[in-house]
Amino acid sequence: SQQGEEDPQALSIQEGENATMNCSYKTSINNLQWYRQNSGRGLVHLILIRSNEREKHSGRLRVTLDTSKKSSSLLITASRAADTASYFCATDAKGFQKLVFGTGTRLLVSP
Amino acid sequence: DGGITQSPKYLFRKEGQNVTLSCEQNLNHDAMYWYRQDPGQGLRLIYYSQIVNDFQKGDIAEGYSVSREKKESFPLTVTSAQKNPTAFYLCASRGLADGGGDTQYFGPGTRLTVL
Repeated sequence: SQQGEEDPQALSIQEGENATMNCSYKTSINNLQWYRQNSGRGLVHLILIRSNEREKHSGRLRVTLDTSKKSSSLLITASRAADTASYFCATDAKGFQKLVFGTGTRLLVSP
Repeated sequence: DGGITQSPKYLFRKEGQNVTLSCEQNLNHDAMYWYRQDPGQGLRLIYYSQIVNDFQKGDIAEGYSVSREKKESFPLTVTSAQKNPTAFYLCASRGLADGGGDTQYFGPGTRLTVL
C-alpha cells in the first residue's frame, strides 16, 4: 500500500517561478526522501531529510519536514524548463526495510 | 562506470508467455528492489532482496517471481499468471546517501507490453 500522498497531482508554472510540492504520510519514519523522474526514465534521488531534521537545502532545493503533522514539502526555487519532471516523496518507515513511494507530482515548467 | 542496468529497454510479449527482465548492478549494494509503475501512477513494490539467496514479497507479488543467486543480479520473471502485466518496470538497489540514510539508485527501466 502506498503511504505517501502528494499534492498537487500536477503543477504548471513559468520559468523563474518557485514550485512547491507537498507530501503527507501515515506512520513514524526514519527519514523522508525526494526523487525526480523524467518521462520514461528511472528515478533519481534528490535529497534526504532525517526525522530529527526540520529543514534541508541542496542547491535550488529546499525540503521541510514536520513530523507532528506527518508532512513534508519540496520547494524548487527559480525553476527552469529542465526541471520539468515528476517528483516523488518516499518514506523510510521505522520497522520496515523498504521505501514507500507517494503518487507523485507532475511539474511542467514553461519557458 | 558504476550503476544499475536493465535490459531490454522495451519488451513485447504474447499473452500466456513468461518473460524475464534483467537487472544488474556494480555498486556492491546488498539490497535490490523491483517496482511496477503504471501510467500516471507512483511505484508499487513487487519483490525485494536484502541479501543473496533471500527475497521477500512486496505489495503486488502475485504473478511475479525473482531469484537472487548473485549479489549483482536480481532478475524478475513476469509469469502468465500476471493478469495485467503491461507496465513500466523499475529495478533499484540501496546504498548510503550523503545524509547517512539509505537511498535507492534506480535503473533506466523496462517497458513491457503484452500483445
